[in-house]
Amino acid sequence: DTGVSQNPRHKITKRGQNVTFRCDPISEHNRLYWYRQTLGQGPEFLTYFQNEAQLEKSRLLSDRFSAERPKGSFSTLEIQRTEQGDSAMYLCASRQDRDVLGYTFGSGTRLTVV
Amino acid sequence: AQSVTQLDSHVSVSEGTPVLLRCNYSSSYSPSLFWYVQHPNKGLQLLLKYTSAATLVKGINGFEAEFKKSETSFHLTKPSAHMSDAAEYFCVVSSFSNDYKLSFGAGTTVTVRA
Repeated sequence: DTGVSQNPRHKITKRGQNVTFRCDPISEHNRLYWYRQTLGQGPEFLTYFQNEAQLEKSRLLSDRFSAERPKGSFSTLEIQRTEQGDSAMYLCASRQDRDVLGYTFGSGTRLTVV
Repeated sequence: AQSVTQLDSHVSVSEGTPVLLRCNYSSSYSPSLFWYVQHPNKGLQLLLKYTSAATLVKGINGFEAEFKKSETSFHLTKPSAHMSDAAEYFCVVSSFSNDYKLSFGAGTTVTVRA
C-alpha cells in the first residue's frame, strides 16, 4: 500500500491550454474524491466516484472540468481552456465503502495558470 | 446541510504555551468531526476524529479536541506548543445526510514564536 498518488505534483500552463491530472487511489478503495484548494482557503469538494460511477458534481465544477474513473481504479481530472482562476491545489482522496471516515489524501497537484 | 466555521484565521503562540483552535459546526444529522493539519508544501494529515464514542478525543502529537453538542463546537487544544506545530489546521464535518463527504473549514494558520 503506497497511499494515494497524484501526478504531476506541479503543473504550469498557459491560459487557454488543456491540462489533465491523474490520481491513483489505494487499491482496495472504491470511493474516490476530488477537492480543490485555493490559497488561504480550505479544500472544496468537486466530485466523487463509487467504483466507475460518478455520483455527484459540485456546482463549482464548470463545463470546462471533467473527471473520469474508467475502470474503477485510477481517475483523471481534465480542465479545458484553463483560466487564471483555475490556479489551485487539486487534491484527491479515497476510502472504502464500509469505512465512511477512513479517508486517505494524496499530496495534491498544484496548478499554476499564467 | 453541513458546514464548519473556524473562528480564528490566524493564531500566534509562544513555544511551550497552550494552543486553542476554535471550530463550530452545523449539521442536520449526527456529525462526525475531524481536525486535519497541513504543513507547508505537504499533504493533509489527520490529527484526530470524533465518531460519537467519547466526547474527548485524543489525537497525535499531543492534540485533543472536545465535542460539545450543546455548543455545536469541536475546539482543538494542545497543552504546550512546539515549533513543529506551525502549520495550517482544518476543522472538517461529515455526516450520513451528505453521504459522508467531507466539508472543510477555511483553516487556521498557527504561528509558533520561539
